Amino acid sequence: GENVEQHPSTLSVQEGDSAVIKCTYSDSASNYFPWYKQELGKRPQLIIDIRSNVGEKKDQRIAVTLNKTAKHFSLHITETQPEDSAVYFCAASMTGSQGNLIFGKGTKLSVKP
Amino acid sequence: GAVVSQHPSWVICKSGTSVKIECRSLDFQATTMFWYRQFPKQSLMLMATSNEGSKATYEQGVEKDKFLINHASLTLSTLTVTSAHPEDSSFYICSARKVQTDTQYFGPGTRLTVL
Repeated sequence: GENVEQHPSTLSVQEGDSAVIKCTYSDSASNYFPWYKQELGKRPQLIIDIRSNVGEKKDQRIAVTLNKTAKHFSLHITETQPEDSAVYFCAASMTGSQGNLIFGKGTKLSVKP
Repeated sequence: GAVVSQHPSWVICKSGTSVKIECRSLDFQATTMFWYRQFPKQSLMLMATSNEGSKATYEQGVEKDKFLINHASLTLSTLTVTSAHPEDSSFYICSARKVQTDTQYFGPGTRLTVL
């Protein structure tokens, strides 16, 4: 089955700096890769996703890149703000009726003002 | 759009009792819902996949007789923790996948504490 590795487990950056979180997956059949942000005690919120027919996707300060050959994808946050502090999870799945999300272990991002 | 609710948000029960948690998609239809368990400072562990009108698919190591899942309609799935024990204490989160999309939307979670 699918296995998703996520690094780093913790990341501390200064406000205004960029943050990068990386994930690798094992199943080459996976073709859907969402990123979720989870604040303490709250539900995971989808922040961006990418499908395997695309190499990069941007949404304001957030971008995701995908390298299908190497089976890794990354989340890039630019101009970080204190409210970006949270735990970020990457996930991988196959599209279709049985596409279960397999999550990485999460990255705790701290943005220091 | 794409709001998922969960009820209750927290519950405390005695060991040996059963607890039912509801997951509803409020403004969309979800043929598939998922149940996750999350321990403090850990990732989301998929417990089971719930398909409307059919039996749930459980992940390896999850006891189907202990965690009963029912998905009776396109907007409601329930998880019943039967004969709960302290080790079942956890944060249970559901998600719902919009029909004809891949996107999963999460409920706010239910904090279960078994005394």
